[in-house]
Amino acid sequence: KAGVTQTPRYLIKTRGQQVTLSCSPISGHRSVSWYQQTPGQGLQFLFEYFSETQRNKGNFPGRFSGRQFSNSRSEMNVSTLELGDSALYLCASSLVGGGRGKMGRTEAFFGQGTRLTVV
Amino acid sequence: KNEVEQSPQNLTAQEGEFITINCSYSVGISALHWLQQHPGGGIVSLFMLSSGKKKHGRLIATINIQEKHSSLHITASHPRDSAVYICAAGNQFYFGTGTSLTVIP
Repeated sequence: KAGVTQTPRYLIKTRGQQVTLSCSPISGHRSVSWYQQTPGQGLQFLFEYFSETQRNKGNFPGRFSGRQFSNSRSEMNVSTLELGDSALYLCASSLVGGGRGKMGRTEAFFGQGTRLTVV
Repeated sequence: KNEVEQSPQNLTAQEGEFITINCSYSVGISALHWLQQHPGGGIVSLFMLSSGKKKHGRLIATINIQEKHSSLHITASHPRDSAVYICAAGNQFYFGTGTSLTVIP
């Protein structure tokens, strides 16, 4: 079965612009989580969506937002881009995912990531 | 203090060597995950464990819940094992900084 698909794979944006990234989870998976990876901070949790509802949120400013559609596909949006937003953005899908203390009990499948460069 | 501490940060081994990567965590967990990331960025989930030990081929993962410690072992290492290994713990996936492994032929 198809894996997790992230689009686009690479993106170059100018400071101040906004960007939307897409993640299509494995068929049947209802949870999608987003992560930011930078050389300095490593992997950091952004947020998790389950059945179109944001269930968990990491410690990122409000410029970072997301949503999930009824088919479980998810998008994340970053507004007013800053140079420090340059990173690899990864999404992961799982059957159940987190929330209510259950996160971590189901295997997560990661996409290849979107490498965002802000210039 | 980081919620998840990994060691070593970098590791170089000769092909065939036995490798151990350690992970200590301070958060409450329902399961701990070991992830592998190859150059190019893609991440693969190697193990998810909440107790005891799991084995997949040459890879073995163990966890001690009382001591809040997990180890990833690679037996008979091979150059294709060269990657970054990351442990992830906690309800929101707190990540270790990763261990960069290079296996030399």
